[in-house]
This record gives sequence, C-alpha cells and structure tokens, in this order.
Amino acid sequence: QVQLVQSGSELKKPGASVKVSCKTSGYTFTTYAMNWVRQAPGQGLEWMGWISISTGNPTYAQGFTGRFVFSLDTSISTAYLQITSLKAEDTAVYYCTRDAYRDCSSSTCFDYWGQGTLVTVSS
Amino acid sequence: DIQMTQSPSSLSASVGDRVTITCRASHSISTHLNWYQQKPGKAPDLLIYVASSLQSGVPSRFSGSGSGADFTLTISSLQPEDFATYYCQQTYSAPPTFGGGTKVEIK
Repeated sequence: QVQLVQSGSELKKPGASVKVSCKTSGYTFTTYAMNWVRQAPGQGLEWMGWISISTGNPTYAQGFTGRFVFSLDTSISTAYLQITSLKAEDTAVYYCTRDAYRDCSSSTCFDYWGQGTLVTVSS
Repeated sequence: DIQMTQSPSSLSASVGDRVTITCRASHSISTHLNWYQQKPGKAPDLLIYVASSLQSGVPSRFSGSGSGADFTLTISSLQPEDFATYYCQQTYSAPPTFGGGTKVEIK
C-alpha cells in the first residue's frame, strides 16, 4: 500500500535550520510529483510548491522562495523540505503529499499525504 | 491567484442530517475542484476530485457537484465519523489554492 512517512516533530530556535523527510513506499517514486503543504496552528492549508520527481526541478509558491528548499533522494524514494533561517512564524505542521494527476482525470489532486511534521520555532 | 471562498465557515448538525457546503471560486475553474476532509491532528483525506468524482474508498453519502465558479459538497446522511473540517481546492491554475475550510460540528 502507498505510504508517505514523515520525520518527527522538531523544536528549533530562531535562525536555525530544519530538514523534514518524507519517505515513500508502495508505488514507483518517480511517477508522481511531490507537493508540500503548510498548516499553521489553527489555520487552513497553504500550498508551498512542488518538485518534479523525474527531473528534480522544484517550483515554489510565492512566500516560499529563498529560505525553503525541496530536494530528493530517488535512491531511497524520499523527498525533503529544508527551511533555513527559521522564524517564529514558520511554526506549523508541514505535509508532503503526492500529486495523482493521471489518476484524477488529468487534473491535479493530492491523493496520499504524509502524517505531517510539526516544526516549532521558539527561543 | 484564484481565491476560494467556502461557506459556511462552520456548522452544527446532527447525525442523520443532510449537510451542504459551498465553495466559490474568484474565476471560472471548469471542474478542477477537489474536496478534502481533515480530522483533528490528522492529514487531509481526498474525498472528491474534478468536482464530482468520488475517490476510491470514500462512502457514497459524499457527493460533489458544480462547474465554473460554484461548487457543492453534500453529505446525504451525516455520520459520527464525518465530524471534521472540509476544504475545497482549485487546481485549474497555479498556485493551487484551498478554501478557508468548513468545520462540521455536532449539534
């Protein structure tokens, strides 16, 4: 079965960096793009961007350029989100989610999600 | 960016009730509209894609309709496990944007 398993919660100080992993299994990693979605405490869902698994090319949403980096290790079917120069407002749950474009009638949809990684930024 | 507006933002309903949630896009998005359910402390689950297609494994009491700018998610008979927050999402144009969510609570 398809699984996306994310790394555990992180507590970081302002200015530090964090790297969240999203290990996948149960499907061919290179055939589905990976997206990242942020959910601040008590708030809604915010799309951060996506990375093409076949090319490694990332696309970042406005507001997620500069300090946010998507990367891959295709040898272990894992996607990563790195955030540098952390700020208090980065405190949120971060989700990886698979884009099942071909399975959703040639329209983007997010059919499988990681369990989420809570990143807390506090001094 | 296309703005997605959900209404209501919250509602109270009883088990067995018929529940309707509305999502309006700021521009026409054809049928590039998905619905997700999120329970507290959990990741969202895909319920409906391309406005009206039921994701595999989702109970048939969930249905979606609409095209253009106006969409509806209907739960025909609310069950205890349906109390959650529901989000619409447009994927017609980048960036894919979510509505603000509708929290369905127990009356």
